[in-house]
Amino acid sequence: GAGVSQSPSNKVTEKGKDVELRCDPISGHTALYWYRQSLGQGLEFLIYFQGNSAPDKSGLPSDRFSAERTGGSVSTLTIQRTQQEDSAVYLCASSIDRGPGNTIYFGEGSWLTVV
Amino acid sequence: AQSVTQLDSHVSVSEGTPVLLRCNYSSSYSPSLFWYVQHPNKGLQLLLKYTSAATLVKGINGFEAEFKKSETSFHLTKPSAHMSDAAEYFCVVSDNQGGKLIFGQGTELSVKP
Repeated sequence: GAGVSQSPSNKVTEKGKDVELRCDPISGHTALYWYRQSLGQGLEFLIYFQGNSAPDKSGLPSDRFSAERTGGSVSTLTIQRTQQEDSAVYLCASSIDRGPGNTIYFGEGSWLTVV
Repeated sequence: AQSVTQLDSHVSVSEGTPVLLRCNYSSSYSPSLFWYVQHPNKGLQLLLKYTSAATLVKGINGFEAEFKKSETSFHLTKPSAHMSDAAEYFCVVSDNQGGKLIFGQGTELSVKP
């Protein structure tokens, strides 16, 4: 597609449920990133993929969070046993590859509310 | 370690007047620096980037930023504000391998008629 596509755009879930957030990067982009934007925390790096492997998972806040990428394209971020503090906008981004100065393009985000 | 400090959480200007959004960075190597804009309920859009070429960087919508190594600054400017410029602006530094972006806390720009 023309840009980074994320789904769902909005998700309300009950505390304790699992959620999956999907990201479809720009075609041909080998690097894919997940960030989280929440009040009081700003924008935080979660995980980075190069192809299907994740060399940097340092931003995942707990073992309830996991992500995978298949076929060097679509990625899924999974949050297990959601907590209220997981409420945030989850932003996916992609770039042609991982290199300093490469433009990173962001999707519009998945708004997650845990009630 | 890299970090970014946006000196103002909120800036208010009148339409047609200049815009200045301030950003200081800290980096142990020559940084890549970016400004992103986020309109309400929208994703992040790249305004401009600095990658060790020209120190004065021109971006979209009339914005520009100047990289000043001696001052460790990368302030964003625009000569004349437009109502459509009202948004949140983020100064960002990239790690030395690229990809892992470190965001400032953001500056909310309001534009008064």
